[in-house]
Amino acid sequence: RKEVEQDPGPFNVPEGATVAFNCTYSNSASQSFFWYRQDCRKEPKLLMSVYSSGNEDGRFTAQLNRASQYISLLIRDSKLSDSATYLCVVRYSGAGSYQLTFGKGTKLSVIP
Amino acid sequence: DAGVIQSPRHEVTEMGQEVTLRCKPISGHNSLFWYRQTMMRGLELLIYFNNNVPIDDSGMPEDRFSAKMPNASFSTLKIQPSEPRDSAVYFCASSPGTGYTFGSGTRLTVV
Repeated sequence: RKEVEQDPGPFNVPEGATVAFNCTYSNSASQSFFWYRQDCRKEPKLLMSVYSSGNEDGRFTAQLNRASQYISLLIRDSKLSDSATYLCVVRYSGAGSYQLTFGKGTKLSVIP
Repeated sequence: DAGVIQSPRHEVTEMGQEVTLRCKPISGHNSLFWYRQTMMRGLELLIYFNNNVPIDDSGMPEDRFSAKMPNASFSTLKIQPSEPRDSAVYFCASSPGTGYTFGSGTRLTVV
């Protein structure tokens, strides 16, 4: 079983729509959570961190449910420029080391 | 800052040839990561270094893959001999301890 699972999509939504992505992780020792954005043929870039209390950055809202090992990303008022692949990312530390584990991503296409 | 610099951007090579991918991390970042990305498997961690020392290489697929970090400003990932199934985008990322910055990647095609 993959450690971080996401619906691959694609999600095709009209401009202005609200869209939500979900992610589950299997390692209960996971400590930090992130959403990364990857544009076509580009490198992943950090979109936002995810905090236990939930957090918002403009049109983007991220939530974490540790009990269910579930993370979500909500995008309101979608723009054409939001079209990208969104990667759910989990970090855990142990034995003096840490690494990020990436989901395979959810592809979003915002349509005019 | 120029960010994480990878070279080459694209590499096409024949099966059996040696391939060397290069990475210059951001100055001051003490951790460096090599990832491979394919459609089927997504982003997979191959190996990571902390203060130039390999910490976890459990993701390296097999002995054909090797990585070195001779100093804080340079790392290489070598595949010898290369095989068509190695075709992927290879990303290098560096981190000061929290947050990753990725390079633009090397798109490798083995024919």
